[in-house]
Amino acid sequence: DVVMTQSPLSLSVTLGQPASISCRSSQSLVYSDGDIYLNWFQQRPGQSPRRLIFKVSNRDSGVPDRFSGSGSGTDFTLKISRVAAEDAGIYYCMQGTHWPFTFGPGTKVDIK
Amino acid sequence: QVQLVESGGGLVKPGGSLRLSCAASGFAFSDYYMSWIRQAPGKGLESISYISGKSTDTNYADSVKGRFTISRDNAKNSVYLQMNSLRAEDTAVYYCSRGPRRLDVWGTGTTVSVSS
Repeated sequence: DVVMTQSPLSLSVTLGQPASISCRSSQSLVYSDGDIYLNWFQQRPGQSPRRLIFKVSNRDSGVPDRFSGSGSGTDFTLKISRVAAEDAGIYYCMQGTHWPFTFGPGTKVDIK
Repeated sequence: QVQLVESGGGLVKPGGSLRLSCAASGFAFSDYYMSWIRQAPGKGLESISYISGKSTDTNYADSVKGRFTISRDNAKNSVYLQMNSLRAEDTAVYYCSRGPRRLDVWGTGTTVSVSS
C-alpha cells in the first residue's frame, strides 16, 4: 500500500499568520491518465471530512482562496496564507492513484 | 442540494452482521462511483470499498475483503455495505462518499460498535 506521511503532525498558528503542511507519498502518484490524484481534506471537530483541494492544486468551490495546494511526484504541500479561527481542525492528504486509496495520519491545526 | 445520509449503524457482537445504507439526493446518482470510508475512534481515515455506477466495478481493502460486500440500487439512489463476521477492530464511524477518488461529498456518518 502507498504510505502517506504528513509533517508536522501538530501545528499551533497565530491568527492571521501563514501555515504549511507537508505530505509525502511512498511512491509516485501519477496515474495512467497523467493526472495526480492527491486531495486535501479538512475535518473540524465533530464533523465529516470536507474536501478542500483536488488533484494537487485545484481548490473546491466555496473554499477560501487562502488555501492553496502544490507539489509533484511524491511531495505535496497545503498552505494557508493567513489562518482564520475557523481553520482549526485536522487536515488529511489522500492519494487516489493506487488502490487502496490511503490517507495521511492527519495534521492537527490549533489557532492561537 | 447534494446530500448523502447514512443509516444502519449500531452495537453488534463480534461475529455479527450489519447492513449500512447511504441515501443520495441532489445529483445523478447512477453516473457516479460511490465509496465507503471509515474512521476508528480517535483515528484517521480508511477507504474500504467502492462501486461503479453500474455495479460492474467493485474493490475492497484487504482489511474487509471477504467479509464486507458493497452494492447499490440506482432506482432507490442508495448504496449499501453488508458487513459480516464483524470484529472489534471494525468499530468506527462509517461514511459514504461520492466517487472512488474524488470524495467531494460526504455524509454525516453512521457509528458501528463491535463489542461483546
